[in-house]
Amino acid sequence: DAKTTQPPSMDCAEGRAANLPCNHSTISGNEYVYWYRQIHSQGPQYIIHGLKNNETNEMASLIITEDRKSSTLILPHATLRDTAVYYCIVRVPTGNQFYFGTGTSLTVIP
Amino acid sequence: DAMVIQNPRYQVTQFGKPVTLSCSQTLNHNVMYWYQQKSSQAPKLLFHYYDKDFNNEADTPDNFQSRRPNTSFCFLDIRSPGLGDAAMYLCATSRESRGDEQFFGPGTRLTVL
Repeated sequence: DAKTTQPPSMDCAEGRAANLPCNHSTISGNEYVYWYRQIHSQGPQYIIHGLKNNETNEMASLIITEDRKSSTLILPHATLRDTAVYYCIVRVPTGNQFYFGTGTSLTVIP
Repeated sequence: DAMVIQNPRYQVTQFGKPVTLSCSQTLNHNVMYWYQQKSSQAPKLLFHYYDKDFNNEADTPDNFQSRRPNTSFCFLDIRSPGLGDAAMYLCATSRESRGDEQFFGPGTRLTVL
């Protein structure tokens, strides 16, 4: 079952940073936080994941609070192509399953 | 390029007529997944294979079956499709289970008439 809570929708101006929050207050110590996004009519695409430390890659940054009960995905310079539904997923590393939450629909506005 | 391929991209079937959706991968990944995604909803895991081991989700209806004849291919069989089974069906793979990202195919959109 999904263990995350996300706002249903957000807007962001093109060129600005998009900050997408996720609540995972029941997360266990060995559970990872994953972020995927799904552009309309395509399969989900991996963005980033982390356990405790903040992570950064070429697509985004992931900030996890010290108590690990929430996290924020940051797209540093949003473009129109970043318009998508963003899913925050909590996953046990020993299991194969991903359980998607309801996601946040991000709209980047010109 | 290595990828997850789903055929066909669009499938139309009739109420009660069995249908098979296919997925293939060139990533040589051990794990293959099937998800169902209904309109405006998040993907829902139906089952997955770890190598040849089949793992069914508890709430997946018996109407849904899967086969994995080899590493590269995985099939989703819907024995008697109902109108409620109309959805996007997503196939995904991962190398192993621990901490690995999943690679998704483009999906097959199933219409049931």
